[in-house]
Amino acid sequence: DVKVTQSSRYLVKRTGEKVFLECVQDMDHENMFWYRQDPGLGLRLIYFSYDVKMKEKGDIPEGYSVSREKKERFSLILESASTNQTSMYLCASNAPWGDTEAFFGQGTRLTVV
Amino acid sequence: AQRVTQPEKLLSVFKGAPVELKCNYSYSGSPELFWYVQYSRQRLQLLLRHISRESIKGFTADLNKGETSFHLKKPFAQEEDSAMYYCALMIYNQGGKLIFGQGTELSVKP
Repeated sequence: DVKVTQSSRYLVKRTGEKVFLECVQDMDHENMFWYRQDPGLGLRLIYFSYDVKMKEKGDIPEGYSVSREKKERFSLILESASTNQTSMYLCASNAPWGDTEAFFGQGTRLTVV
Repeated sequence: AQRVTQPEKLLSVFKGAPVELKCNYSYSGSPELFWYVQYSRQRLQLLLRHISRESIKGFTADLNKGETSFHLKKPFAQEEDSAMYYCALMIYNQGGKLIFGQGTELSVKP
């Protein structure tokens, strides 16, 4: 009964590559989020989307972009990967009202070399 | 600016001891606050939310608007409580933006 699925568990990319991280949810949630998780820094919001084709910058959007063409799918794009983007990336989704519990993906461990 | 602060990176206690994980928030509106937990090799998951005022796995958290705090408490810690704990704030007037604190690692020793 997996609800939020991230396309890759581990990724290794070279500096300067364009990287796509994919996330799919099956709960018909309006909101989807991308975070990066670093020890001591917690979860920092990169971008979130509250509807198809709608997006809002989070706290650390520099070097990232997102795409949401369908309600169930939210993609994170690293335009030109750099070593300081080596991190764990978490996708989440929730409904903006009512039961607002957020569900998380299993995470993608990205290493940029 | 909205912010969630967890001042302790690591909290280490012995089994059976009381636990309090601190969370303070900065938000001018009416907050919706959560505690999420991540056990080793598992996904982040909801532990509890302030609006439901429930106790989950023996944990409780009370919203104190005057002190802008939402501390997580448990009277008797168990070894299986060892995990990363994150406090989170949902901001309704920004489309449901969900922001997290830095996290506190709880280690319960036998």
